[in-house]
Formats: sequence, structure tokens, C-alpha cells
Amino acid sequence: AQSVAQPEDQVNVAEGNPLTVKCTYSVSGNPYLFWYVQYPNRGLQFLLKYITGDNLVKGSYGFEAEFNKSQTSFHLKKPSALVSDSALYFCAVRAPGFQKLVFGTGTRLLVSP
Amino acid sequence: DAGVIQSPRHEVTEMGQEVTLRCKPISGHNSLFWYRQTMMRGLELLIYFNNNVPIDDSGMPEDRFSAKMPNASFSTLKIQPSEPRDSAVYFCASNRGTDTQYFGPGTRLTVL
Repeated sequence: AQSVAQPEDQVNVAEGNPLTVKCTYSVSGNPYLFWYVQYPNRGLQFLLKYITGDNLVKGSYGFEAEFNKSQTSFHLKKPSALVSDSALYFCAVRAPGFQKLVFGTGTRLLVSP
Repeated sequence: DAGVIQSPRHEVTEMGQEVTLRCKPISGHNSLFWYRQTMMRGLELLIYFNNNVPIDDSGMPEDRFSAKMPNASFSTLKIQPSEPRDSAVYFCASNRGTDTQYFGPGTRLTVL
């Protein structure tokens, strides 16, 4: 069975500092990994995905994520946080050949001015 | 190109009433997903369709919930009768094949 863990309910970071939002996964076979962001009263917006290839994936709004197979992790990163990055971030995994996405519980990112 | 469209955006109803949520997927997408988001349970997949056919409804909470997809551009999620514990945000998402899922803005349902 697929599963995703986001160990931090909330991450606090000062504007201009680098940020990391953690995600680990469990899946049979090669994983398809996704990050989504949810702003208040909005739907989930796709940020980036890893399917195959380079372990460092670049996405929207300056975000990137690093796939680490040995640690089964897919942490979301950004070199310099903005106050406008404050939102709820979801990691998701899909097993090859399956359509269902399994989401983590979400991590709230708060960027202070 | 328009994204996933959901209506209504907000619905307030009384316990026992029938509620119908609507979704129009992105044109050309052949899979459609219904999710529910609550503080307690997070984001849950309720049901998904491939080419208008329900594939997995194991997430549907109980018989009060039903979903249909009569054609490639429209789906409904119905709750009858509604209960206060059904209060949540309901999202629809669509994709083509196994590609990235794109989400609608959601319907916030409040059952009094």
C-alpha cells in the first residue's frame, strides 16, 4: 500500500531564509511524487512532480524538490522564502500503473516578515 | 483553457436535505476524482471515474453518498439525506491518463 508522511504540522521561517518542507513515502515500485500548495479558501495547485530522471525537480514559484531513493524522501525546498509562500503544502505519491494519489496530512508553512 | 469548474462554491443546507455538487473537468481529461477535505481527516479520495465509468468508490462514506458521470464533461456528487458531519470542502480533480491531477476550487458545504 502507498503512504506518505509529512512529519511537521507547521514550519516557521523568516522571509529571505531558505525553507524545507519534509516528505517521506512508501510505495511498491518506482514512485511518482507530487507537491501541491493550497492557499486559504482555494483548491490545491500543482507545484511540481518527479516521475523519472534528474533527482532535483524544479517547479513553480521558485520551488524545487529533491528525490532521494535511499531515504525514500521528496523534500520541498526554496532558497529564499517569501511571505506570500505562506500556505498549506501537500506531498502525494502514486504507484506506477495506478491512478490513485495518496496525500500526506499537509504542512502549514508560515513565513514571517 | 479553463480549469476544473465546480458549483456551487458554497452551500448551506439543513440536516435531511438533499445536496448536489457539480463538476466540469478540464476538456480532454478522461479521469475525474472527488475528494473531501476536513480538519479531522485531511484530504480523502471518495470516488474516481475513468472514461465516465466509476472505477473505485471505496472511499464513499456510506449509502447516503452517490456520484455519477453521465458524460465526459459533467459529474455530480449527491448526498441524501445530508447530516452535519458531512460538512467539509469537496474538491473535484481531473487528469488525462495517469498525468498530473488538477483540482477545482472546491465547494464548501455546511449542513446545519
